Order: sequence, then C-alpha cells, then structure tokens
Amino acid sequence: EPEVTQTPSHQVTQMGQEVILRCVPISNHLYFYWYRQILGQKVEFLVSFYNNEISEKSEIFDDQFSVERPDGSNFTLKIRSTKLEDSAMYFCASSPPRAKGTDTQYFGPGTRLTVL
Amino acid sequence: QQQVKQSPQSLIVQKGGISIINCAYENTAFDYFPWYQQFPGKGPALLIAIRPDVSEKKEGRFTISFNKSAKQFSLHIMDSQPGDSATYFCAASRSGTGNQFYFGTGTSLTVIP
Repeated sequence: EPEVTQTPSHQVTQMGQEVILRCVPISNHLYFYWYRQILGQKVEFLVSFYNNEISEKSEIFDDQFSVERPDGSNFTLKIRSTKLEDSAMYFCASSPPRAKGTDTQYFGPGTRLTVL
Repeated sequence: QQQVKQSPQSLIVQKGGISIINCAYENTAFDYFPWYQQFPGKGPALLIAIRPDVSEKKEGRFTISFNKSAKQFSLHIMDSQPGDSATYFCAASRSGTGNQFYFGTGTSLTVIP
C-alpha cells in the first residue's frame, strides 16, 4: 500500500539555523499538507498546498516558514531561523484528487525536530 | 477558539469491553469527520470517517455515531483488544481546496488484558 514518507526521522539543530524537512507524498495525490505536534499535545495544521501554491495557512505558519514542491515527487517545509518553540513532530500529509470523493488525508511517520 | 473538543483525555478498558470516545465541534460548515489512531512515534493513521448525511458508520469493530443537531460524534470500539491501546484523535474539516483538519486533543486508550 502506498505511503507518505518523510526524511529525516529526527533532526537536531541549533537555534537560529535553517532546516528543511522533506516529504514524498503518495504518487497520485494532488493536495499536500504540513502539520505539527508538540509533545503531548494535539496535531495542529500549518499549511495546505495545491497546484503549486499555498491554499490555506494557519497563524503558526509565519514568515519563517515556507513550502515548496521542487519536483514531481518531493514536498518540503523550510524553517528559516529556528526557535526553541519550533521543537515538535512535523507531519506531512497528502490527499487524492477530489473527484475520488474523499477528503481523507494520509499522514507520514513524521520528523522529530529538536531545536537546542 | 477550540474548534473540536474531545473527551475523555484518557481511558482504561478491560479486554472485550467497549471503548467510547466523544467529540463535539463548533463550526456547522464542517462536513467531514475522521478518526485517527496514533501509536507512539508514528504518524496518525486513518481509522474511520463519516459525513453528516448519515448518523452511523461501522467498519469491523469500529463505529462512528454522529448527531448533527447536537454537533457531536463519537467513536465506539467494540470488543476492545490490547492492540487497540493507542492515542485516538477526532478531527473535522470543511470540504474545499484548503481543507485543513481541526484535531481534538486526543484520548489515550489503554486496554487491559
């Protein structure tokens, strides 16, 4: 069964450094998302992406964050200057074309980001 | 503003028992309500989902009950097994290109053998 994959599984960085989290969505999916989950808390929406542009973003997704789909398979989240409070698990998700009649989002295993 | 409220925070059930987790939502424009199961260190995995045009959906041991007028929905796990021990999240979304999921705060389920 196709899966969303994410790399790296764990990223440790110094405060102020840039990080890029990578995701490979399911191949025929058209909608892409990033969420984060601070330890012990609920999953929070960051951004959705469709047709090479941002569809929706939350208040968390400020100017320090950006997303990109650099080729036909990868979907990346960049944090320009990391802060301690960016430490969290970051999940990528993808959805199939809407014509299939589903809004289901399929989540990857996550990247644990630790900012020191 | 908390769009989706989930309870209880934790739940302990005997093997073979019924686990019930409840969620309530605010936004009447929501039209898709999935439940996700998450094991430690893993991403959320879709368990079952419902749309407001039906009041109940069953898949195996998992059932969603939906009450549109009360803006509530619940997950019932019949014949709970130790392997069901995980964190369960409800979510809600409104159809559309953005389609962000609003997650509940999660329920940690422990099924005792």
